[in-house]
Amino acid sequence: DADVTQTPRNRITKTGKRIMLECSQTKGHDRMYWYRQDPGLGLRLIYYSFDVKDINKGEISDGYSVSRQAQAKFSLSLESAIPNQTALYFCATSETAYNEQFFGPGTRLTVL
Amino acid sequence: RKEVEQDPGPFNVPEGATVAFNCTYSNSASQSFFWYRQDCRKEPKLLMSVYSSGNEDGRFTAQLNRASQYISLLIRDSKLSDSATYLCVVKAGGYQKVTFGTGTKLQVIP
Repeated sequence: DADVTQTPRNRITKTGKRIMLECSQTKGHDRMYWYRQDPGLGLRLIYYSFDVKDINKGEISDGYSVSRQAQAKFSLSLESAIPNQTALYFCATSETAYNEQFFGPGTRLTVL
Repeated sequence: RKEVEQDPGPFNVPEGATVAFNCTYSNSASQSFFWYRQDCRKEPKLLMSVYSSGNEDGRFTAQLNRASQYISLLIRDSKLSDSATYLCVVKAGGYQKVTFGTGTKLQVIP
């Protein structure tokens, strides 16, 4: 089984809808991250969490919120989706700030 | 200037060729460096960390030049399976700010 899983893998929704993307990990890492990837822009950090009680905004947090329900679960919500939030979303984990990040398979989100 | 810059390519090389990519970074306080590989529509996966003295892993060699603020990746004897996008990753700052480059696309041709 994959160490970092994301659901759903693909989602098409309409402008104004609330969407939740979920991430679960079995690696036992405290640090979890949410990124979006757009062509030509690379991966950009939305939110990150160092433990259940520590959640921080990344460089592009506007329009997003997160919830760290447990060490293993980190959810990303789009309260009112808009078309420019169409992107590939990745969840990642790491053991420490210095170690590599392990990525989930991604969620392809399309907002019409 | 972007914090991390990479030539987007594509680099089209024949099998067996040697190819090198560079990645420049602007923050002189950067502390950790990595190369990730990303296949089309897949998640990025760590290829190798980059150490100050340079390091090698099979056909792959990574180098760090702090004076000129760039890292490099050299791939020898290219295989078809090396076709992918290679992402440069730089970490800096008290909370280890992570910046990804936009990637360099490599296409190895038979």
